[in-house]
Amino acid sequence: TQLLEQSPQFLSIQEGENLTVYCNSSSVFSSLQWYRQEPGEGPVLLVTVVTGGEVKKLKRLTFQFGDARKDSSLHITAAQPGDTGLYLCAGEAAGNKLTFGGGTRVLVKP
Amino acid sequence: DAGITQSPRHKVTETGTPVTLRCHQTENHRYMYWYRQDPGHGLRLIHYSYGVKDTDKGEVSDGYSVSRSKTEDFLLTLESATSSQTSVYFCAISKTGLDEQFFGPGTRLTVL
Repeated sequence: TQLLEQSPQFLSIQEGENLTVYCNSSSVFSSLQWYRQEPGEGPVLLVTVVTGGEVKKLKRLTFQFGDARKDSSLHITAAQPGDTGLYLCAGEAAGNKLTFGGGTRVLVKP
Repeated sequence: DAGITQSPRHKVTETGTPVTLRCHQTENHRYMYWYRQDPGHGLRLIHYSYGVKDTDKGEVSDGYSVSRSKTEDFLLTLESATSSQTSVYFCAISKTGLDEQFFGPGTRLTVL
């Protein structure tokens, strides 16, 4: 079973601060997806990283895929209250399905 | 937004009763999934379908069954609900199974 571990589980910061969320595994993934979930809603895809060492930017969010394709990180610059939510990473598992990490709950206080 | 709905959105039931949750899509995607979400566990796959009448188990399939008689509908059944099945259930769809998954709004199930 391929496992994805996310850290930290919970992060509370003030508006304007930076934060980094980590997604780690002992397994190699051909790609990793990052989702954000807001309270009462389903997760929504933010980005997919495919190539080892790849860096993708989405406004103030920067996603990196590790060189060995076993880990990924999400960095948010100058966080805003609208960034509050549950961030989930997901990797491909056998059988055309995804395995999800446990999630990082981010709270950005105004 | 992807056309995916779940019904009911909320349900309270008693231990031992059968429960069926419905997922309906209008996107004609081949793959459909049922997940449960519990605090600290992220999303855990219950069952999934890769076509009409083609289904397979996920990591937490015990106590659950599924059926897919047509492309647009995927049903999740709890034959005899237990308190440990109290959770939020999400349905998701995907074109190829390895691309983006689109999630429904979720069903909050409480088993007393």
